Amino acid sequence: GAGVSQSPRYKVAKRGQDVALRCDPISGHVSLFWYQQALGQGPEFLTYFQNEAQLDKSGLPSDRFFAERPEGSVSTLKIQRTQQEDSAVYLCASSLARAGGYVYNEQFFGPGTRLTVL
Amino acid sequence: SQELEQSPQSLIVQEGKNLTINCTSSKTLYGLYWYKQKYGEGLIFLMMLQKGGEEKSHEKITAKLDEKKQQSSLHITASQPSHAGIYLCGADMGKENTDKLIFGTGTRLQVFP
Repeated sequence: GAGVSQSPRYKVAKRGQDVALRCDPISGHVSLFWYQQALGQGPEFLTYFQNEAQLDKSGLPSDRFFAERPEGSVSTLKIQRTQQEDSAVYLCASSLARAGGYVYNEQFFGPGTRLTVL
Repeated sequence: SQELEQSPQSLIVQEGKNLTINCTSSKTLYGLYWYKQKYGEGLIFLMMLQKGGEEKSHEKITAKLDEKKQQSSLHITASQPSHAGIYLCGADMGKENTDKLIFGTGTRLQVFP
């Protein structure tokens, strides 16, 4: 399909395990975002890429969280030594370009990866 | 985030009734987005508002942004079961190096026959 895809859709991890979540943005989209959505809450920003450059990682909750987008397309969010509080849905979104000024671009969201840490 | 307040948190309406969801910020918004989310799925874009006083409609859904660009409302006319889901407002606060969105906590809408 032409939308944002994420894998796996569901992940169960034991506490202390490392996990890697993948995002395939829409082809040609320059901007890529990761959000974390806890149960019953709205998504919260984690990090932002413009092409391969990570321009904003202010939302990453700890140094156990790491994201990369080495070739400016696919992105991976890695969580090391998972904790129970990491359980959430991780959403990836992409948009055509970083517009700035007064032009804004719609962010297209993937279906998310539901992470459960036992 | 508490930067965006959504109300009500949940709404149960009978099919055919009109309803309104509100989204309020203490700061000026540079872009306001409305999304719909169904359980286990990603966010579906509904509308984006940018200018003070702007109003947009799509099918039976109308979104408005006030003149001060601090409050938005989403109005559904003659609700249907297909409108059920979680409605989220997301805002661009105008940070220069990112287009990240700040989201409200969502409004869960149920529509019964």
